[in-house]
Amino acid sequence: QSVLTQPPSVSGAPGQRVTISCTGSSSNIGAGYDVHWYQQLPGTAPKLLIYGNSNRPSGVPDRFSGSKSGTSASLAITGLQAEDEADYYCQSYDSSLSGLFGGGTKLTVL
Amino acid sequence: EVQLVESGGGLVQPGGSLRLSCAASGFTFSSYEMNWVRQAPGKGLEWVSYISSSGSTIYYADSVKGRFTISRDNAKNSLYLQMNSLRAEDTAVYYCARARGDSGAFDIWGQGTMVTVSS
Repeated sequence: QSVLTQPPSVSGAPGQRVTISCTGSSSNIGAGYDVHWYQQLPGTAPKLLIYGNSNRPSGVPDRFSGSKSGTSASLAITGLQAEDEADYYCQSYDSSLSGLFGGGTKLTVL
Repeated sequence: EVQLVESGGGLVQPGGSLRLSCAASGFTFSSYEMNWVRQAPGKGLEWVSYISSSGSTIYYADSVKGRFTISRDNAKNSLYLQMNSLRAEDTAVYYCARARGDSGAFDIWGQGTMVTVSS
């Protein structure tokens, strides 16, 4: 059971918008720690998608955006494409500075 | 090209030991904090350990504390994970990951090395 809670799966049709939530607590996200998001395509290493709650590394399309409020964070993907089908993970920290990952969300493009 | 390459994985019996290595290239290794992250078969990501750029600050997940030791050799551009008293639940792909200086996000990942603990 992960400390950061994500929905196990989400789905959407091509062109649609989907959001993935990441719910923590006052000990982690709510304590002010940044949230980062990763995309993991099947059989590959994770790739950084969003850092510092809402920043995109160079090369990441602006279809991907992140936000944080209170004890939760969200990843939004607009203009859904078949290539976006992957597992998505949120990551933050707790007061002991241990790294925390969410359980992961499998995105299916219908 | 900025790159991390893990090695040292394999099959080990419960209670055994293994040492993983991560070779860095294409960037100034000594300037970056580093981490190990693992992923059990069919499961999600689990952060394992962190080491500061100088090696002076180290953190571990509770699940490996007292059994695993992270270290680095900046002269050799290498990161290590010494794993002792291995258990079946340590079976996973182990990734080394570089942390961005501005946020701690893991911006560069290796391809991973598989560790299987089984008799």
